[in-house]
Formats: sequence, C-alpha cells, structure tokens
Amino acid sequence: AQSVTQLGSHVSVSEGALVLLRCNYSSSVPPYLFWYVQYPNQGLQLLLKYTTGATLVKGINGFEAEFKKSETSFHLTKPSAHMSDAAEYFCAVSQSGAGSYQLTFGKGTKLSVIP
Amino acid sequence: DVKVTQSSRYLVKRTGEKVFLECVQDMDHENMFWYRQDPGLGLRLIYFSYDVKMKEKGDIPEGYSVSREKKERFSLILESASTNQTSMYLCASNPGNEQFFGPGTRLTVL
Repeated sequence: AQSVTQLGSHVSVSEGALVLLRCNYSSSVPPYLFWYVQYPNQGLQLLLKYTTGATLVKGINGFEAEFKKSETSFHLTKPSAHMSDAAEYFCAVSQSGAGSYQLTFGKGTKLSVIP
Repeated sequence: DVKVTQSSRYLVKRTGEKVFLECVQDMDHENMFWYRQDPGLGLRLIYFSYDVKMKEKGDIPEGYSVSREKKERFSLILESASTNQTSMYLCASNPGNEQFFGPGTRLTVL
C-alpha cells in the first residue's frame, strides 16, 4: 500500500519569503508524484508532476519540487511567496492498478501568506 | 482543455433522501473517480471506474453506489443520505497518470 505524509496542516509565510511544503511518501514501486493546488470552493488543479527523468520538476506559478528517492521525499518550493499563493496544497502518489492510475493523497497543507 | 463538470456546486438534502451527483468529462477518458474531501482528512477515494459499466470500490464505498452507462458520465448515488455524508465531493478523470478534477459539489445533509 502506498501512503503520503504532509508535514504541517497549516503553514504561514510572509509575502516574498520562501515557501516550503513538505511531502514524504511510501511506495513499493517507483512512484509517480504530484502536487495539486486547491483554491477556495474550487476543484484541484495540477501544479506539477514527477514521472521519470529529471528529479527537479518545474510547475506552474513558479513552483518546483525535487524527487529525492533516498529520502522518499517530494517537497514543494517557491522562492518568493505571493498573496495569490494562499490555498490548500495536496501531495499525491500514483499507483497503477487495472490501468486506472489511482492516486493516494496526503491530508493537505493550507498555506497562508501574510502581507 | 480538459473539462470535467459536476451537476451542482451546492446541494442541500434531507436525511433519507436518495441523492444523485453527476459528473461529465469531455475528453474521452477511460478512467473516472469519485472522492470525498473533509477537513483534515484530505481526499478519500469512494469509487472508480475504468470502463463503461465497470466499477471498483475505493477506500470508503459504504453508503454509496455508482453508475457508468456512458463513457463520459459517472454518477455517484447516495441511496439514503445521512448527516455523516455531508462533505465536498470531487469527481476526476484521467487518460493516464494525471487526474483532472471537476469543481466539486458541496453536499449538506440535514
């Protein structure tokens, strides 16, 4: 079984400061890893994903994440927080079963940006 | 752009009512999913379908059923709604490893 742990259910940063959202996973097979963002009263939007190849993945809105196999981590970063980054962020790991590519999600981290 | 639509954004129902939540995707995706989202619990998979008329239970199927008669449409059914089914329901579809989500239906059961 796969699992995802997101450290910190709430993270606050000042506008312009570094954003770091932590994600650790467990998987018995090479994983596919994802970060999704959810703005209030909306569905989830893909920020970025790691499947194979380069371990540093760049996504939308200036976010990036690095896959570290030795640490089983996939932390999300952004050099400078903007007010519009305030949202909830979900890390997810994919497993393949009957071709369906189910996702297992972490419990989410709510990011607040302080002006 | 992939579009996943859900029939209602907000829904209020009474205990014991039969509730239908509809999801439609316009990209001919094989796989469709229903999740519920609750604060502090993240997203939990209720059911998924990898083909028309095919369904598989997810992690929390109790109290729910699903229907997929056409490839583009995946319905979630609450046979007899209960207050503990008050939640945000999210539908998703995928052709491969990335899932595309609808805007969600916030269901309140009184």
